[in-house]
Amino acid sequence: AQKVTQAQTEISVVEKEDVTLDCVYETRDTTYYLFWYKQPPSGELVFLIRRNSFDEQNEISGRYSWNFQKSTSSFNFTITASQVVDSAVYFCARGASNAGGTSYGKLTFGQGTILTVHP
Amino acid sequence: DTGVSQDPRHKITKRGQNVTFRCDPISEHNRLYWYRQTLGQGPEFLTYFQNEAQLEKSRLLSDRFSAERPKGSFSTLEIQRTEQGDSAMYLCASSPRTGISSYEQYFGPGTRLTVT
Repeated sequence: AQKVTQAQTEISVVEKEDVTLDCVYETRDTTYYLFWYKQPPSGELVFLIRRNSFDEQNEISGRYSWNFQKSTSSFNFTITASQVVDSAVYFCARGASNAGGTSYGKLTFGQGTILTVHP
Repeated sequence: DTGVSQDPRHKITKRGQNVTFRCDPISEHNRLYWYRQTLGQGPEFLTYFQNEAQLEKSRLLSDRFSAERPKGSFSTLEIQRTEQGDSAMYLCASSPRTGISSYEQYFGPGTRLTVT
């Protein structure tokens, strides 16, 4: 199975600290997509970001940024100036696609990182 | 915008009973997915539909599990002869079929199943 590994089980920070969540993935696919989802205590998975395998440019979106390195199969996610509302479980996921760019469908998720932001 | 809805939100059943869950996807989405999430784990893929066609099933989907999407709109997931190991959160997601957004799956609130 092509796994997604989130080595950090739990992270605890104080509000306004920056925090980086690590993700390492396995894949045999030429084209694939990577995602970060957030699962707050209410339980509903919320889509945060998507990155495709052929674009390694790192981006910033508000307080979120991500670092995609194909050479090390890593897709790390950073929250800048964390807030208490960021407390949640964060999941990294991988999806595959065919050469025509249509997704195969299923996402493979990591085990999640529990982030607690203290006031 | 109406998101993905799931019903019921919680279900408690006795071992050996059958249960059925419903998922209503976002209206313009023609792909629908089912995942299972146990405590402390990430969601695990069960199956997905494109319109009414079931395109992939996981090995996790034993013979006791069946999913349908008869008219390409809502979907049902049935578990027959429930076992305690079936206790989990069952998540439904939907996405458009084509375009870059087809990769973005939007999840419902889930149905939490407890088998006693």
